[in-house]
Amino acid sequence: KQEVTQIPAALSVPEGENLVLNCSFTDSAIYNLQWFRQDPGKGLTSLLLIQSSQREQTSGRLNASLDKSSGRSTLYIAASQPGDSATYLCAVGPLTTDSWGKLQFGAGTQVVVTP
Amino acid sequence: NAGVTQTPKFQVLKTGQSMTLQCAQDMNHEYMSWYRQDPGMGLRLIHYSVGAGITDQGEVPNGYNVSRSTTEDFPLRLLSAAPSQTSVYFCASRSGTSGTYEQYFGPGTRLTVT
Repeated sequence: KQEVTQIPAALSVPEGENLVLNCSFTDSAIYNLQWFRQDPGKGLTSLLLIQSSQREQTSGRLNASLDKSSGRSTLYIAASQPGDSATYLCAVGPLTTDSWGKLQFGAGTQVVVTP
Repeated sequence: NAGVTQTPKFQVLKTGQSMTLQCAQDMNHEYMSWYRQDPGMGLRLIHYSVGAGITDQGEVPNGYNVSRSTTEDFPLRLLSAAPSQTSVYFCASRSGTSGTYEQYFGPGTRLTVT
């Protein structure tokens, strides 16, 4: 069974510092990996999606890398801002044909960016 | 497009009561699913549907029923609410034909069972 782990569970950084968030998964047979942001009491906002054939995706200050062979993805947020404070979740979409993209989620990393 | 919508936003139930959580999407997505989110456990899949008339169980289906009579709607029914069903419920959808399979989530329903 696929296990998705996010370490650390919580992270606090001063404004301007780069954020590095880690996601690891146990089964490399994945279709894609998606990073989400969740603000307190809110839903999930999709940040980046990486297909299994890709090594990275970028959007503005965000860059996500994927290393399937080692079962790791990293989300980089450059020059963090207080508005980046949120919980970041990674989710893996399995490759098996009967899974129909059922996502396996990590528990998330709670990020606080202090002014 | 409104995307994925969910109602209600908040609900308090007593043990044994039943209710339906509503979910609708206007993106003509074939695939819809329900997740629950509990502290420290991430999101877990309850039920999913790959199209109208087709549903299947996810990781934690006990105590919940679903049906899919239209492409747009995917309601989740709690038959007899229990305190263990206190959680935040999210509905999600994605295209069944798009290559990226990116999933879109609703704003959630926060349910408390007393």
